[in-house]
Amino acid sequence: EVLLVESGGGLVQPGRTLRLSCAASGFNFDDYAMHWVRQVPGKGLEWVSGIGWNGDDAHSADPVKGRFTISRDNAKNALFLEMNSLTYDDTALYFCARSRSAGSGYSDGFDIWGQGTLVTVSA
Amino acid sequence: SSELTQDPAVSVALGQTVRITCQGDILRRFFASWYQVKPGQAPLLVMFGRNNRPSGIPDRFSGSSAADMSSLIITGAQAEDEADYYCQSPDQSIIRYVFGEGTTVTIL
Repeated sequence: EVLLVESGGGLVQPGRTLRLSCAASGFNFDDYAMHWVRQVPGKGLEWVSGIGWNGDDAHSADPVKGRFTISRDNAKNALFLEMNSLTYDDTALYFCARSRSAGSGYSDGFDIWGQGTLVTVSA
Repeated sequence: SSELTQDPAVSVALGQTVRITCQGDILRRFFASWYQVKPGQAPLLVMFGRNNRPSGIPDRFSGSSAADMSSLIITGAQAEDEADYYCQSPDQSIIRYVFGEGTTVTIL
């Protein structure tokens, strides 16, 4: 079974750091680019960051650029999101998602998603 | 502009046809992908490319595209199709992505 399972979410104070993980199974992890997408409860989806199959090419959305870092460990079939200088606006459910393509560039869709991990930024 | 605009909500009678639209200049370059999101569930890719359904998606779902608008069409809507639907596209950089605001589909 193709599966993505996120972990690492929780309650964190503003300005602090949190590291999310996504464990992949059931497919050749290093054949695919991977992404993080978030959803504020009751709101829409927002793309956060993406990384190519070999980890050399990574990109982030403007609201998190310079604060969040996406990385991957293909030997461990794992995707990560290091989130620094967290703000209240970062409170959301964070999903990892598999791209239909290998490169971090153009993709025509994200075909496998995890159930998400909730990050709550609060004092 | 890389913004994608969707109607906030649409309703359809059981068994009838509903068209969910997504408008944006970027769609003149790229096809939209479409996701179904139900409460408490992960998003589900239901359409990609010109008119491609992932494995397991019923053939009552179809897609179309013209100029700056992409559409997801549900022909013979079922109760289980009640959900939020989001379109997505690369932005002008190609390496980043944008989602529409989502359309809530209600089955009457």
